[in-house]
Amino acid sequence: EAGVAQSPRYKIIEKRQSVAFWCNPISGHATLYWYQQILGQGPKLLIQFQNNGVVDDSQLPKDRFSAERLKGVDSTLKIQPAKLEDSAVYLCASSPPRGVGTEAFFGQGTRLTVV
Amino acid sequence: DQQVKQNSPSLSVQEGRISILNCDYTNSMFDYFLWYKKYPAEGPTFLISISSIKDKNEDGRFTVFLNKSAKHLSLHIVPSQPGDSAVYFCAASPSGTYKYIFGTGTRLKVLA
Repeated sequence: EAGVAQSPRYKIIEKRQSVAFWCNPISGHATLYWYQQILGQGPKLLIQFQNNGVVDDSQLPKDRFSAERLKGVDSTLKIQPAKLEDSAVYLCASSPPRGVGTEAFFGQGTRLTVV
Repeated sequence: DQQVKQNSPSLSVQEGRISILNCDYTNSMFDYFLWYKKYPAEGPTFLISISSIKDKNEDGRFTVFLNKSAKHLSLHIVPSQPGDSAVYFCAASPSGTYKYIFGTGTRLKVLA
């Protein structure tokens, strides 16, 4: 079974520039998550999708971050404009339909450095 | 407001001995708890979980204990192996949400 795919693996941008990350979840997984992991901290949930609808985006800085999940499969997370404090690893995860399993499976992440 | 806390940033254990990683939580609505392991430059990997209706779950060398009254859970690794060296994250899910809230992690080093 293929895992969660993310791209790019690494990205360096200047502050005030924009950046986008892509995620392809495990086939059949209805729930998709974007997490932000700042160095030395645990992953922080940014947004949770159920199919292509948003379940929770309470911690997404909506003035600069946006995310979409088209057709309930792939997802993109965008930052515009980026700030220095956005430097982090952005992790995408997916989980199976409810009742099948409850753990989330993570991709390798995208390491963003804002200079 | 840190709802899931891992108060030990690091832990060193001799190979073959027991590793005990601890996690405390504050939200009584959490009903499902998970442990993830993370190697450098990789995403977290699911290790073991426990529902709030249980107080123990075992999978090979890994056992998770849950003490609901103390809002505390622990992960025991017996025997510890050098390949277990990684960062371990505790996570909790509020009832009915399928949302995972993570602690700050504990870096385990198993010494050969």
